[in-house]
Amino acid sequence: ETGVTQSPTHLIKTRGQQVTLRCSSQSGHNTVSWYQQALGQGPQFIFQYYREEENGRGNFPPRFSGLQFPNYSSELNVNALELDDSALYLCASSSSGRREDTQYFGPGTRLTVL
Amino acid sequence: GNSVTQMEGPVTLSEEAFLTINCTYTATGYPSLFWYVQYPGEGLQLLLKATKADDKGSNKGFEATYRKETTSFHLEKGSVQVSDSAVYFCALSDRSNTGKLIFGQGTTLQVKP
Repeated sequence: ETGVTQSPTHLIKTRGQQVTLRCSSQSGHNTVSWYQQALGQGPQFIFQYYREEENGRGNFPPRFSGLQFPNYSSELNVNALELDDSALYLCASSSSGRREDTQYFGPGTRLTVL
Repeated sequence: GNSVTQMEGPVTLSEEAFLTINCTYTATGYPSLFWYVQYPGEGLQLLLKATKADDKGSNKGFEATYRKETTSFHLEKGSVQVSDSAVYFCALSDRSNTGKLIFGQGTTLQVKP
């Protein structure tokens, strides 16, 4: 069984640029959630996708957007990057849209904005 | 709103010592509760979970019991090892909103030989 994978591992961008992060969900999972983890903090929920549709969103501005594809992989896009966007971005997958499902995390993408 | 509060770290213990990391929560309804562990430079790994009151989650010698009356989910281990050094996160699933996870701020554990 393949776990959750994310790419790239590290990324350096400058303020104002745009970035796309990618996530492949665990085999058999159709739900993907994205979290932002600032240094020294717990992860914060960005949004969730279930069967290619956004299924809930946290307190993040519209410049954070996403997609989910028919194979249930997902992308997180961030436009107009700000210094405070520097963080570890974590993707988690779960087996269905049920709220009690356990979420399994990938290794994360470390984004640095200069 | 829903929230999780963990004891502040870092927690420094000698090998084979007893570990307790406190976690309390505020939630409407009946959330599931989780402990995740994060090793340096890595993502989060599920350590254990409990889905209803009085459930005990356990894994790799770690245990936590879902206490509804005290709204707590404290993590314990009888004898820690150097390899347990990591950051531990307590979390609840917000069943009122997609089941998103709400995390505590994390507790760093350092175990010395």
